[in-house]
Amino acid sequence: EVQLVESGGGLVQPGGSLRLSCAASGFTFSDHYMDWVRQAPGKGLEWVGRTRNKANSYTTEYAASVKGRFTISRDESKNSLYLHMNSLKTEDTAVYYCARVNVNVLTGYHFDYWGQGTLVTASS
Amino acid sequence: DIQMTQSPSTLSASVGDRVTITCRTSQSISSNLAWYQQKPGKAPKLLIYKASSLESGVPSRFSGSGSGPEFTLTISSLQPDDFATYYCQQYKSYPITFGQGTRLEIE
Repeated sequence: EVQLVESGGGLVQPGGSLRLSCAASGFTFSDHYMDWVRQAPGKGLEWVGRTRNKANSYTTEYAASVKGRFTISRDESKNSLYLHMNSLKTEDTAVYYCARVNVNVLTGYHFDYWGQGTLVTASS
Repeated sequence: DIQMTQSPSTLSASVGDRVTITCRTSQSISSNLAWYQQKPGKAPKLLIYKASSLESGVPSRFSGSGSGPEFTLTISSLQPDDFATYYCQQYKSYPITFGQGTRLEIE
């Protein structure tokens, strides 16, 4: 059974840093792209960024709103995905989800599994 | 960036109704579109991928169609469990973008 479990959320002051984790199980982690998606309170879904799979050298992509402040990494030995967030702003307040990307050229690169989310609150 | 415009923003309907949600894209995305269902306090759940392919385990009353720039999600006969918010998403190009959501309410 595929499972994604996020952790690390909490209250942080604007300008501060936080690291989120996503523990993956039930699939071959290195085969999949992994993404972070966030949702501000009462708002819609916003894509944050992606790390590709081993076959694509774990390269990354980011939304413009977080580029230069957030970094996505992964530890294959721990089957874990991370989101390193620096210079946090109040507008980064959101529930952060990790999501597994279906990697199949025929069916496309949609999100087939999501974690339960972890809340990050950037406030003084 | 590819803009995704969903309509309506809110939809009121009754159990047994047939409902359709529309997603319009600002650029061609071929069939690189997915639909997700989200209930309050829960993670989104994949319903449809590649515009019209039903995810395993999703009831057959859900269907998707379209090939750009207009896509639709149809629920053929609403069930009590279907009242939720629905999002479309394009994965043709970066940044990946979502529609603003359609809240499906009980009439």
